[in-house]
Amino acid sequence: NAGVMQNPRHLVRRRGQEARLRCSPMKGHSHVYWYRQLPEEGLKFMVYLQKENIIDESGMPKERFSAEFPKEGPSILRIQQVVRGDSAAYFCASSPLPGGGNEQFFGPGTRLTVL
Amino acid sequence: EDQVTQSPEALRLQEGESSSLNCSYTVSGLRGLFWYRQDPGKGPEFLFTLYSAGEEKEKERLKATLTKKESFLHITAPKPEDSATYLCAVQAYNFNKFYFGSGTKLNVKP
Repeated sequence: NAGVMQNPRHLVRRRGQEARLRCSPMKGHSHVYWYRQLPEEGLKFMVYLQKENIIDESGMPKERFSAEFPKEGPSILRIQQVVRGDSAAYFCASSPLPGGGNEQFFGPGTRLTVL
Repeated sequence: EDQVTQSPEALRLQEGESSSLNCSYTVSGLRGLFWYRQDPGKGPEFLFTLYSAGEEKEKERLKATLTKKESFLHITAPKPEDSATYLCAVQAYNFNKFYFGSGTKLNVKP
């Protein structure tokens, strides 16, 4: 039973480029969360999605960031016109139940570096 | 405002020296408190979920406890392989998001 998968594991972008981060949840999980982690800091909630629905995006910056979880395929976190401050580790987690009432299972993360 | 504070930020122990990590929280209606272990360069690994004050969970050398305002992660006779950052998170009943603390970085020396 494969765990949560994220790709790419490492992504380097120049300022102004776009970054696309992918997350495939665990089999049977239809709830996905995205988090951002800066060095030596905890995880900051960004967005919670179910298939084809954004449930809570209160942690997402209003501009340049978007997320989707289509009916088929992985969840995508998209960052347009990246800036150096976007450099961080981005983690995705999946949960089998509505609202993540039980534990979330995390992927290995994508480390984004903006030059 | 809902928030989570973990202490200490860092903890150095000798192998076999037991200790506790603290997670203090303020949340309007606790749905669950979660402990995770995170190794460098990896995603958090789930350890425990606690739902109500007085609840305890154990796994090998780790034991998690919960009161109305804080949780403790007790580490008994730790080994070097227990070295990691331990994260605490809470979820409120009427919110979908999880609030994470900044973690306690544990270093166990042989």
